[in-house]
Amino acid sequence: QSVLTQPPSVSAAPGQKVTVSCSGGSSNIGSNLVSWYQQLPGTAPKLLIYANNKRPSGIPDRFSGSKSGTSATLGITGLQTGDEADYYCATWDSSPLTVVFGGGTRLTVL
Amino acid sequence: EVQLLESGGGLVQPGGSLRLSCVASGFTFSTYAMSWVRQAPGTGLEWVSGHSVHSGATFYSNPVKGRFTMSRDNSKNTLYLQMNSLRVEDTAVYYCAKGNSGGSFNELEYWGQGTLVTVSS
Repeated sequence: QSVLTQPPSVSAAPGQKVTVSCSGGSSNIGSNLVSWYQQLPGTAPKLLIYANNKRPSGIPDRFSGSKSGTSATLGITGLQTGDEADYYCATWDSSPLTVVFGGGTRLTVL
Repeated sequence: EVQLLESGGGLVQPGGSLRLSCVASGFTFSTYAMSWVRQAPGTGLEWVSGHSVHSGATFYSNPVKGRFTMSRDNSKNTLYLQMNSLRVEDTAVYYCAKGNSGGSFNELEYWGQGTLVTVSS
């Protein structure tokens, strides 16, 4: 059971928009910055979003992040078949002092 | 180009030990926080431990606290994870990952390819 709650799966058609939610509590999302990772099948995770809404260089602006209270959201617009992957949220948890990940959300581009 | 290369995984019996290594290149290793993250087969990501160069502190997840020890040798640009008293539930691919600052554990901007640890009798 993950500390951060994500939907197990989401799906949408190519070209459409999808959002992935991540729900936590006051000791994690409520008081710390959130990151998002993309894991393509058989590969290592890749940082998509950090500090709630910042993109590392090379990440297209189709990917966006936001945070409100104890929840965070990843948005992906202009969906492509290459976006099919598992997506994870993560943040620091002040009690206990560890990083916590969400359980992951599998995106299917229909 | 940043590269992280893990090694040391393998098959070990329950109760046994393994030491994982991660050789880093392409950045000033001594100035960045580093973490270990694992992924059991067919499951999600689980953060294992992290070291901050800002505070000098090392943190561990509850499942591994007291059994795993993370260390780094800045002269060799190498990160280690000493794993003792291994359990079947420690079976996973172990990734080393670079934080995007000296104190960041959850903003992991580069990852290695992972090394598989299998704990089984």
